[in-house]
Amino acid sequence: GAVVSQHPSWVICKSGTSVKIECRSLDFQATTMFWYRQFPKQSLMLMATSNEGSKATYEQGVEKDKFLINHASLTLSTLTVTSAHPEDSSFYICSALSQPSPLHFGNGTRLTVT
Amino acid sequence: KQEVTQIPAALSVPEGENLVLNCSFTDSAIYNLQWFRQDPGKGLTSLLLIQSSQREQTSGRLNASLDKSSGRSTLYIAASQPGDSATYLCAVGQGGGADGLTFGKGTHLIIQP
Repeated sequence: GAVVSQHPSWVICKSGTSVKIECRSLDFQATTMFWYRQFPKQSLMLMATSNEGSKATYEQGVEKDKFLINHASLTLSTLTVTSAHPEDSSFYICSALSQPSPLHFGNGTRLTVT
Repeated sequence: KQEVTQIPAALSVPEGENLVLNCSFTDSAIYNLQWFRQDPGKGLTSLLLIQSSQREQTSGRLNASLDKSSGRSTLYIAASQPGDSATYLCAVGQGGGADGLTFGKGTHLIIQP
């Protein structure tokens, strides 16, 4: 079945540094990739939608200059958390879409900013 | 703006019981509805996907129903097992599936051995 690989699965970084998270569709081409964030005991919240070769569309309240999304190919999207702060500590999950198939999710990245 | 609510927030039952998890959504113009399972600190496992034209889907001991007009879905788990313990998330898709999913906060389920 379709597989989405997300890397790293967990990362600890110091405040002020940047962290890049990769999301790859391994056996299909994803026309659209979505990035979600989940705080403890909260639901997943959509951060942004990215289509290959175009700028990402960010949800209201998500800073596009802080959360840089690049979707350079049909199998890879990256999320870079720039100048990370402790309040950015969260669980980040990507998902990939290749219609008419349903969404496929990565296993998530646990980010801890110290 | 679509809002998804899941009731109950938490549930603890003895092994072997049948149980029902509830999901409601405010905008009935949905493309599909999915139920996911999330284990602590892990990603999502898709359990069942119901298209807007469908009324239910079944997989093993799981059955999900959809009443789009009333904005409700239920996940029925038969003969629960300790391995079913997890958080169950309901998510609604709109915009032909290209708008991402709107998630509920989940039901944290514990099956007591």
